[in-house]
Amino acid sequence: QVQVVESGGGVVQPGRSLRLSCAASGFTFNSYGMHWVRQAPGKGLEWVAVIWYDGSNKYYADSVRGRFTISRDNSKNTLYLQMNSLRAEDTAVYYCAKGYCTDGMCPIHRWGQGTLVTVSS
Amino acid sequence: DIQMTQSPSSLSASVGDRVTITCRASQGITNYLAWYQQKPGKVPKLLIYAASTLQSGVPSRFSGSGSGTDFTLTISSLQPEDVATYYCQKYNSARLTFGGGTKVEIK
Repeated sequence: QVQVVESGGGVVQPGRSLRLSCAASGFTFNSYGMHWVRQAPGKGLEWVAVIWYDGSNKYYADSVRGRFTISRDNSKNTLYLQMNSLRAEDTAVYYCAKGYCTDGMCPIHRWGQGTLVTVSS
Repeated sequence: DIQMTQSPSSLSASVGDRVTITCRASQGITNYLAWYQQKPGKVPKLLIYAASTLQSGVPSRFSGSGSGTDFTLTISSLQPEDVATYYCQKYNSARLTFGGGTKVEIK
C-alpha cells in the first residue's frame, strides 16, 4: 500500500540547518507531485512546498521561500526538504505528502506520520 | 494570494445532528477545493475533492458542495467517530492553501 515515511527531525538551534527525508513505497514515485506540509503544536495545517513528479517545478510558501529547498531523487524514491536559517516559528510536525497527480495542482492523497522539528536554543 | 476562511472555528453538536461547515475563498477557485479530516493525534485524511467528489472509502454521510468562492462540507448525521478538525484546501494553483480548520465535538 501507499506509504511515505519521514525522517530527520529533531532539535536544532535558531539559524542552523536540518534536512528532512521522506522514503516512499507502494506507488510509482516518479509519477506524482510531492508536498511538505507542517503543523505547529496545537495549530492548523500549513502547506510548505511542492515539487513536480519530475522535479521540473518547485513552489514554496512565502514563509519559507529562500530558506527551504525541496528536492527529490526518483532513483531512490525519496523526497527531501533542506531547511536553512531555521527560526523558532518553524517548530512543527513536518508531513511528507503524496499528491493526487503529476504536478502540484491537485489534492493531497496520502500523508506520512510526520517528523517533529523543534527550533530552540 | 488567495485566502481560505472557514466558519465556524468550532462547533458542538449531538449525535445524529446535521452539521455544516463553510469555507470561503477570497477569489474564485471554480471547484478546486478539497476537504480533509484530522482526528485527534492522527494524520489528515482526504474526504472530498473537486468540491463534491467523495474520496473512496469515505462514508456517504459526508458531502460537499459549492463553486467559485463559497463551499460547504455537510455531515448528514453526526457520529461519535466524526470528532475531528476539518480543513478545506484550495488547489487551483501549485501554492496550496488550507483554511484555519473547524473543530467538531459531540455535545
